[in-house]
Amino acid sequence: AQSVTQPDIHITVSEGASLELRCNYSYGATPYLFWYVQSPGQGLQLLLKYFSGDTLVQGIKGFEAEFKRSQSSFNLRKPSVHWSDAAEYFCAVGADGNTGKLIFGQGTTLQVKP
Amino acid sequence: EAGVAQSPRYKIIEKRQSVAFWCNPISGHATLYWYQQILGQGPKLLIQFQNNGVVDDSQLPKDRFSAERLKGVDSTLKIQPAKLEDSAVYLCASSRSGTGGQPQHFGDGTRLSIL
Repeated sequence: AQSVTQPDIHITVSEGASLELRCNYSYGATPYLFWYVQSPGQGLQLLLKYFSGDTLVQGIKGFEAEFKRSQSSFNLRKPSVHWSDAAEYFCAVGADGNTGKLIFGQGTTLQVKP
Repeated sequence: EAGVAQSPRYKIIEKRQSVAFWCNPISGHATLYWYQQILGQGPKLLIQFQNNGVVDDSQLPKDRFSAERLKGVDSTLKIQPAKLEDSAVYLCASSRSGTGGQPQHFGDGTRLSIL
C-alpha cells in the first residue's frame, strides 16, 4: 500500500533563508505527487504537482519540488522564505487504482523567525 | 470561479449527539471527497463520490457515519452518534474527475469538537 512520510514534524527558519521540506513516498509505479499548504483555520491549497516528465516542478508562491525516483523522494524547496510562508505543509501521493484518492503525510509545520 | 463551500465552520456537540456537515463543490466538478483531519495528522479520506455514486468508502465508519450526494452536486456528511474520537476538522474537496493526478480543491473545513 502507498504511504507518505514527512520526517520533520516542525521546522523553524529565519526570514530570507532557504527552505527544504522532506517527503518520502512508497509506491510501486510512477506516482502522482502533490504538495499542499494549509494556513490556520483554512483548507488545503495546492502548491505544485508532479505526474511525469521534468523532475523539477515549479509551483505557486516561488516553491519548487524535485522528484527523485532513486530516493523515493519529492522534497519541497524555496530559495528565500517570507514570514507569510508560515503554515503547515502536506505531501501527498495518488493512490492505486487511478481513482484520484490521495494519501497524505502527517505534515510539517513551518515557523518563520523575523 | 467560486471555491468549495462548507458549513458550518465550527460545531460543538456532546458525545452521542448527531451532527451534519454540508458541502457545495466547485461547479462542474464531478468528484467530491470528504476527509477527516485529526489534530497533528494529515487528512484521511472518508468517502469519495463520482457524481452521485460512491467510489470509495473503505475508511468510513459506517456504523456511525453516513454521507450522500443527491443529484450529484451538494453533499452531506452525518455522524450519529458522535464519539469523543470524532473531534477533528472535516474537509470537503472536489475535482473535475476522479482520475489520478487531478488536483483536488479544498473547502475551509468544519471544526468539530465533541464534549
